[in-house]
Amino acid sequence: RKEVEQDPGPFNVPEGATVAFNCTYSNSASQSFFWYRQDCRKEPKLLMSVYSSGNEDGRFTAQLNRASQYISLLIRDSKLSDSATYLCVVNGGGSYIPTFGRGTSLIVHP
Amino acid sequence: DTGVSQDPRHKITKRGQNVTFRCDPISEHNRLYWYRQTLGQGPEFLTYFQNEAQLEKSRLLSDRFSAERPKGSFSTLEIQRTEQGDSAMYLCASSLESDEQYFGPGTRLTVT
Repeated sequence: RKEVEQDPGPFNVPEGATVAFNCTYSNSASQSFFWYRQDCRKEPKLLMSVYSSGNEDGRFTAQLNRASQYISLLIRDSKLSDSATYLCVVNGGGSYIPTFGRGTSLIVHP
Repeated sequence: DTGVSQDPRHKITKRGQNVTFRCDPISEHNRLYWYRQTLGQGPEFLTYFQNEAQLEKSRLLSDRFSAERPKGSFSTLEIQRTEQGDSAMYLCASSLESDEQYFGPGTRLTVT
């Protein structure tokens, strides 16, 4: 089992739709969690941290479920500009090594 | 621009040659990471520095790869005797006492 798993997609949704991605992790001792956005042939950019109590930033909501070992990202009212790959990152669990998922591709169409 | 910078942005080299990449982190960021990314995959961890100390190195990293951060500021990643399988985007990221990383634009390596 991979340490961090994401459905690669692509998720193809119309503008205005709500879409959710999950990311599962295998190391129960993991301590910090993040979502990054990566546009084609660009570097990843930090989207948001994922706290135990959840985190909301405008149309984006991130949640952590430690019992089931997954984090989620919800995007409401999708925009064309949300089209990108969304990467989850899991840190900690006894090392300094951050582990990225392979990313989930989102395509928002008119 | 006070972000992470990397140089060069693109490198084409012949198999067997050595290459060196440079990363300048955000000023005062004490943590620096190197990653490799290939198409359709997430960034794969290579190595991590806290100040000038190299604290982690991926088991996947062969002896042909070496990284330094001599004064705790910029870092270099060297690949010796390059192979075609080394072709990838090499990303550098930095952070300040947290796990929130900020990435540079990357160096795209093509080995012919």
